[in-house]
Amino acid sequence: DQQVKQNSPSLSVQEGRISILNCDYTNSMFDYFLWYKKYPAEGPTFLISISSIKDKNEDGRFTVFLNKSAKHLSLHIVPSQPGDSAVYFCAASDFGNEKLTFGTGTRLTIIP
Amino acid sequence: SAVISQKPSRDICQRGTSLTIQCQVDSQVTMMFWYRQQPGQSLTLIATANQGSEATYESGFVIDKFPISRPNLTFSTLTVSNMSPEDSSIYLCSDHRVTANYGYTFGSGTRLTVV
Repeated sequence: DQQVKQNSPSLSVQEGRISILNCDYTNSMFDYFLWYKKYPAEGPTFLISISSIKDKNEDGRFTVFLNKSAKHLSLHIVPSQPGDSAVYFCAASDFGNEKLTFGTGTRLTIIP
Repeated sequence: SAVISQKPSRDICQRGTSLTIQCQVDSQVTMMFWYRQQPGQSLTLIATANQGSEATYESGFVIDKFPISRPNLTFSTLTVSNMSPEDSSIYLCSDHRVTANYGYTFGSGTRLTVV
């Protein structure tokens, strides 16, 4: 049972444009969500997070949106840069439980 | 920021052998977490390692196959025992320490290939 889903395995975006990565979840107990970026041969690097009391969190070029009623979150990267090319994972946890449940990842390719 | 050192970074092993992966964190933490990422798949939690007690394993993972040690608050090992090609994965540790922006930190991973 995949509780966190990233339905797009890959995405290609022109440099300078907006990249939008999507994530859906099924467990209504999840209350904290994170996005990680992963390069080959490296561990995941934390990007940005959002708690369920918010619907938006912004950090520089990265913005995460949360729609609790739809159980959907998205990561917006603008403007997209070549260094953003990586695999992006969304992850979720529920209150009082430190375990992270990860999505399957989306490979983002930024085209110069 | 939190620093987690993991080694080896990669290894190629013969089937039937075992490999021990080490994870060192730069400050004391109560819990450490071991994940597996099989090719093309998500990161899956294997077990949670508390210092001074047995690790807690997730469904589908057993101690005989993935024994874990946690001798102190800064170090943990994961052993992949009696390996088969299906164990070829990236193995990652994390201490789930909350950073300034509330994200968890991971080690750089161990890429294991079983031949």
